[in-house]
Amino acid sequence: DSGVTQTPKHLITATGQRVTLRCSPRSGDLSVYWYQQSLDQGLQFLIQYYNGEERAKGNILERFSAQQFPDLHSELNLSSLELGDSALYFCASSVASAGYNEQFFGPGTRLTVL
Amino acid sequence: GNSVTQMEGPVTLSEEAFLTINCTYTATGYPSLFWYVQYPGEGLQLLLKATKADDKGSNKGFEATYRKETTSFHLEKGSVQVSDSAVYFCALSDIDAGNMLTFGGGTRLMVKP
Repeated sequence: DSGVTQTPKHLITATGQRVTLRCSPRSGDLSVYWYQQSLDQGLQFLIQYYNGEERAKGNILERFSAQQFPDLHSELNLSSLELGDSALYFCASSVASAGYNEQFFGPGTRLTVL
Repeated sequence: GNSVTQMEGPVTLSEEAFLTINCTYTATGYPSLFWYVQYPGEGLQLLLKATKADDKGSNKGFEATYRKETTSFHLEKGSVQVSDSAVYFCALSDIDAGNMLTFGGGTRLMVKP
């Protein structure tokens, strides 16, 4: 158990819908990262937050957004969903934002768009 | 930009066989290197890491050495077990580009009794 929790574990929805994925980092970790794992693209970094502020952006679509709240949990919002958004979404956390910091991964949320 | 290339799988071995999974990288800065493992139905677990050239990361019988001259970080294990069956990801983190991980495509390892 990494100490990172993600909810829900599974999500099935239809095209055009909007969903919210939730992540709680390990106690004491200030940085949260979101990754997408799909058959086409492999594991890709989406976005990073550190202590409530956005720190880095990767291959994140404009239809996707995220935020980190004062209690440090994070939410990833996916809107106008398409079939190609079906993937496993991982959240990871680490102590700090830069320098070498081990990232601890949650179990993931499997999103299926029908 | 940064990239990681690892051998495609699946790799199928018999129990107690020697394992090598090749990984090479391209980075603009001086990265830290990692191997993560994903067991069926689970998230990613850090297997081992190395933060500078010639460092050897090791854990659970797995080893990998940070080779700057060949930009490689090959994963090895002397004697695999059925329980090692999983997908293995090589990854790098470049301090100059923040702390996000850039992953290789993953290599599925299947170990038969």
